[in-house]
Amino acid sequence: AQRVTQPEKLLSVFKGAPVELKCNYSYSGSPELFWYVQYSRQRLQLLLRHISRESIKGFTADLNKGETSFHLKKPFAQEEDSAMYYCALSEKSNTGKLIFGQGTTLQVKP
Amino acid sequence: DAMVIQNPRYQVTQFGKPVTLSCSQTLNHNVMYWYQQKSSQAPKLLFHYYDKDFNNEADTPDNFQSRRPNTSFCFLDIRSPGLGDAAMYLCATSRSGGNEKLFFGSGTQLSVL
Repeated sequence: AQRVTQPEKLLSVFKGAPVELKCNYSYSGSPELFWYVQYSRQRLQLLLRHISRESIKGFTADLNKGETSFHLKKPFAQEEDSAMYYCALSEKSNTGKLIFGQGTTLQVKP
Repeated sequence: DAMVIQNPRYQVTQFGKPVTLSCSQTLNHNVMYWYQQKSSQAPKLLFHYYDKDFNNEADTPDNFQSRRPNTSFCFLDIRSPGLGDAAMYLCATSRSGGNEKLFFGSGTQLSVL
């Protein structure tokens, strides 16, 4: 069964420290993977997707098929990065439906 | 300039009393989704429309129905809400599905008394 696992409910770091939000998935096939973010009192929005291989707001994520992981990383955390982060998997179909992980709250302390 | 609008932001209903949540979009997207998110859990897809084609998830209870009268609007009907249906309901759209990004509304927090 398709599943996305984010093992940490809460990750707390100090400003300037490196950040790694973990995401593991199980999927039979080649998945499309995304990170969505929800800042305080804002709606859920796309942060980045693995097919774009882009860096958004200093965040990057690399798909590791061997480890079935898609961890989100940033070398130097900023206070404005504090938010809820969801890893999500899209099935390769034309529906675009997403399977979400439970989310990790990132708290960046000054 | 909100592109996916959900009303109301908070909805309170009584046990067993039908309730309708609404979602509208100004993006002219083909696909609209309804997700249910219970406290501290992942958003879970209930169903989606690809244009007028309705696609129900296998484990969505029969208590949940949806209507999409036109491109812009989509409704979630809960016929007989139970206490376990209290949750945040998220509407989302995408232009044509596939691996395009989803645009989310702010959600409706449903309470069942």
